Amino acid sequence: GAVVSQHPSRVICKSGTSVKIECRSLDFQATTMFWYRQFPKQSLMLMATSNEGSKATYEQGVEKDKFLINHASLTLSTLTVTSAHPEDSSFYICSARDFGTGTDTQYFGPGTRLTVL
Amino acid sequence: EDQVTQSPEALRLQEGESSSLNCSYTVSGLRGLFWYRQDPGKGPEFLFTLYSAGEEKEKERLKATLTKKESFLHITAPKPEDSATYLCAVQPPWGGSEKLVFGKGTKLTVNP
Repeated sequence: GAVVSQHPSRVICKSGTSVKIECRSLDFQATTMFWYRQFPKQSLMLMATSNEGSKATYEQGVEKDKFLINHASLTLSTLTVTSAHPEDSSFYICSARDFGTGTDTQYFGPGTRLTVL
Repeated sequence: EDQVTQSPEALRLQEGESSSLNCSYTVSGLRGLFWYRQDPGKGPEFLFTLYSAGEEKEKERLKATLTKKESFLHITAPKPEDSATYLCAVQPPWGGSEKLVFGKGTKLTVNP
């Protein structure tokens, strides 16, 4: 099956710093990637849709300037949490859309646990 | 508004005790329905895609089926390692959003 990686898997940072999370599709090209946030014991909450070569589309209530998304290549999307605060602590998960050979499936990365002190 | 409802919210089974999880949806013109498995602290793992009513797919002890209004994930003779949260998601029709609509999941616990 298709593999999506995320880096780092865990990050702890001080309040006010910025953190970058990478999402890579390892064995397929993904023109579209998605960024989710998940709170404990809750389902996935879509934050934004990232399209290669264009601006991301953010869901209502998600601050664009806070969560910067760059999809610079067909295999890499990055999420930068700027000026992080403790309330940004969460589990961030990306997915990549495999849209080829008769399939249209989102494959998820393993997630990144962000803790802001 | 497209909705996906999963039931039950939680299910406890004894090892070997077969059961089914339900996913009902209100999306019209469904393009695809997906089942994922999520272990604590990990991202969802893809299990199945179903595209049309009557379709069935199997993988080890899991079997997914689809009707016009719901999908079932049947678990036959489960083992403790099947314990996880199972997520159902639907894909709106062509021309609509690319976003998946997720249910809240069913947390399955299989006791040895």
